[in-house]
Amino acid sequence: DGGITQSPKYLFRKEGQNVTLSCEQNLNHDAMYWYRQDPGQGLRLIYYSQIVNDFQKGDIAEGYSVSREKKESFPLTVTSAQKNPTAFYLCASSMGQGLSGYTFGSGTRLTVV
Amino acid sequence: GNSVTQMEGPVTLSEEAFLTINCTYTATGYPSLFWYVQYPGEGLQLLLKATKADDKGSNKGFEATYRKETTSFHLEKGSVQVSDSAVYFCALIIDRGSTLGRLYFGRGTQLTVWP
Repeated sequence: DGGITQSPKYLFRKEGQNVTLSCEQNLNHDAMYWYRQDPGQGLRLIYYSQIVNDFQKGDIAEGYSVSREKKESFPLTVTSAQKNPTAFYLCASSMGQGLSGYTFGSGTRLTVV
Repeated sequence: GNSVTQMEGPVTLSEEAFLTINCTYTATGYPSLFWYVQYPGEGLQLLLKATKADDKGSNKGFEATYRKETTSFHLEKGSVQVSDSAVYFCALIIDRGSTLGRLYFGRGTQLTVWP
């Protein structure tokens, strides 16, 4: 079955450390996205990529970095510059321009300890 | 700009009650409209969608009609079940311009259904 796989499901990080969240899709989708979800704030777009080797900042890109070296993969690195990284992170993908909607992964919950 | 406004929750209902979650939007182009559902600890699942005015999206007993004249896409279900307890997100995507391909979400509405 095709889908999006995010790993790990739970992640703990010490302050000052970088950490990378994995997102892999086998849907042959062109575009991929990273969202952050905090209680009561809905979803906020971090980065998105519409083609391989190209990506754009979303609304809250500061303290995050991404790469898109393969169509199937869009890893997100949460750097030590992110002031409040504890959140639920969601990866999504879409065919073409996304007019049929996105497919979401099951999320990674990151906690800074 | 592009934005989605949906009714604030939480919404608490008894089983078999009628559900309405209001959603209105503003858009710079011609949007497609979506409802997504999120169960606890999981990602979002597409519930239903509508791509043009007067279209009705439906799935699992939920319905929403794309009303261009009122810029609305309200979610309804005639008889809710405990298993419908989740967070519901209204969203839109624009089919042209610099924001092509970007999905705009409302803040989400928490629904709790009691037996």
